[in-house]
Amino acid sequence: GEDVEQSLFLSVREGDSSVINCTYTDSSSTYLYWYKQEPGAGLQLLTYIFSNMDMKQDQRLTVLLNKKDKHLSLRIADTQTGDSAIYFCAERTGTASKLTFGTGTRLQVTL
Amino acid sequence: DTGVSQDPRHKITKRGQNVTFRCDPISEHNRLYWYRQTLGQGPEFLTYFQNEAQLEKSRLLSDRFSAERPKGSFSTLEIQRTEQGDSAMYLCASSSTRGDRGYSYEQYFGPGTRLTVT
Repeated sequence: GEDVEQSLFLSVREGDSSVINCTYTDSSSTYLYWYKQEPGAGLQLLTYIFSNMDMKQDQRLTVLLNKKDKHLSLRIADTQTGDSAIYFCAERTGTASKLTFGTGTRLQVTL
Repeated sequence: DTGVSQDPRHKITKRGQNVTFRCDPISEHNRLYWYRQTLGQGPEFLTYFQNEAQLEKSRLLSDRFSAERPKGSFSTLEIQRTEQGDSAMYLCASSSTRGDRGYSYEQYFGPGTRLTVT
């Protein structure tokens, strides 16, 4: 079945790197996503990675995928206060179009 | 392109009343999805449409819930006889299976409608 898990909270200092981790259970996952949600807002698509890749970089964001361990991470370089939000990972499996989300990791950036 | 829009942004209703939400997807996006998000949780899939056809429904979508997309553009989600457990954020997303690059794997979300049932 589909199950996505994330740690609940991460606190980093401004300027440091943040690493948000996610594990998933469905080995048939084809695409894995990272979304950002600010208070009272919808979800903003940050990036996604195809399951046959192990890394994707997009400006300050780096996604690492370990398919063997079913582990996904999002690294944010030079974290800023504007990065404070809840980050969700999600998986898309097979021909289904739905996304299965984790419970989200709240990132707090301190000065 | 103005993104996915949803209306209303907030809705307070009394238990037992019916409510209807509207979603306008990104223009030219032929797929439209509804998700529900409760406090402290990630979004959960409810249903999706390709054009006007409703192709998949979650078991979360009880008989009191109905969704339509009559002309393959905007969609409505109606909840009949609301219960307190229906209080949540209802999110709409859209994506495209057309375009220069063919199939798109990107789902774009609207700002959501927050429903409070008292």
